[in-house]
Amino acid sequence: TQLLEQSPQFLSIQEGENLTVYCNSSSVFSSLQWYRQEPGEGPVLLVTVVTGGEVKKLKRLTFQFGDARKDSSLHITAAQPGDTGLYLCAGASGDRSRLTFGEGTQLTVNP
Amino acid sequence: DTAVSQTPKYLVTQMGNDKSIKCEQNLGHDTMYWYKQDSKKFLKIMFSYNNKELIINETVPNRFSPKSPDKAHLNLHINSLELGDSAVYFCASTKRGGETQYFGPGTRLLVL
Repeated sequence: TQLLEQSPQFLSIQEGENLTVYCNSSSVFSSLQWYRQEPGEGPVLLVTVVTGGEVKKLKRLTFQFGDARKDSSLHITAAQPGDTGLYLCAGASGDRSRLTFGEGTQLTVNP
Repeated sequence: DTAVSQTPKYLVTQMGNDKSIKCEQNLGHDTMYWYKQDSKKFLKIMFSYNNKELIINETVPNRFSPKSPDKAHLNLHINSLELGDSAVYFCASTKRGGETQYFGPGTRLLVL
């Protein structure tokens, strides 16, 4: 069974601070996705990383896929209250339509 | 123009009852899923259908039975509801072989 561990589980910071969320596994994934889930809604895809070592930027969010495709990180610069939400990483294996989700990181950005 | 819709959004019921949750997607996707999100927010896959054919069936009690009348719909019927079934159930869809999953808004099930 493939497992994805996310850390930290909970993160509460002040507006303007930087943060990094980690997603680790002992398994290799063909790709890794990051989703954000807001209260009362379903997860929404932020990014997909496919190549080992790949870095993708989405405004103040930077996503990196580990060289060995076993881990990933999400870095947010100058966090804003609108970044508050549950961040989920999800790995796809051989069958790309099947995702294994991490446990999630609940981020709260205080004004 | 809702992409993936689920009904009902909230479901409160007594232990032992039978209930159904419905899901519809208008994205033209071939693959649909049911996930369970527990109180700790862990999202776990339950079932997946591709073009009305069951392709993923995780270790889920037999009381849960998915049904796909056509590729745009995937319903979930639960028999003899138990307290531990209380959770948020999400439907999702994706293009065949694609990776981006589009989630519905969830159905909050509370079994009393």
